[in-house]
Amino acid sequence: SVLTQPPSVSGAPGQRVTISCTGSSSNIGAGYDVHWYQQLPGAAPKLLIYGNINRPSGVPDRFSGSKSGTSASLAITGLQAEDEADYYCQSYDSSQTGSYVFGTGTKVIVL
Amino acid sequence: QVQLVESGGGVVQPGRSLRLSCATSGFSFSTHAMHWVRQAPGKGLEWVAIISYDGGNEFYADSLKGRFTISRDNSKNTLHLQMDSLRPEDTAVYFCARSWEPVVVPVFDYWGQGTLVTVSS
Repeated sequence: SVLTQPPSVSGAPGQRVTISCTGSSSNIGAGYDVHWYQQLPGAAPKLLIYGNINRPSGVPDRFSGSKSGTSASLAITGLQAEDEADYYCQSYDSSQTGSYVFGTGTKVIVL
Repeated sequence: QVQLVESGGGVVQPGRSLRLSCATSGFSFSTHAMHWVRQAPGKGLEWVAIISYDGGNEFYADSLKGRFTISRDNSKNTLHLQMDSLRPEDTAVYFCARSWEPVVVPVFDYWGQGTLVTVSS
């Protein structure tokens, strides 16, 4: 994948964790929006953040997104046991025709 | 409510073909572009293809061009993925996802539960 995420991050309940999504000048750095998805074990992905910073209705405000330069980040505050899941960023890459790209994925572990 | 239900997965030998379907309900299918996304066992998400709301435009991941064909039947609210010349590395859960465009880069706002395709002799 052209978007790189850390394989895992961990935190105790109540703590704050952040997940980075590092791209390049042909995707995030080109100004393309970044979206974030949560995938619980055995389930389909679920939209968490769209357009870098926006939360769909129903997503708790514990989840927030940001973007700067060639990177984006997802922050989870007040970590809860139910947040243990895989998280993926997604954007568009102009170096390939019609190519929507996902990050490598990050496993959030609640200690 | 919005529902997407994939079907057609199974075990297939290398070199053979398979056609996946995604039956949708709860929204105006003919006004949304649609995607296929796949996930190999224990791996991350990989975008496969997109088709425009009217079927007039299709785009594919570069690695799949020529082997996979996305199509849709707006009269039946159904999306399809024809997969030819299958390879073991095509083994994955295949998800259909609705495209939503609140910003420039489309968002996958609703997903099906996925259907497993296993390519093995």
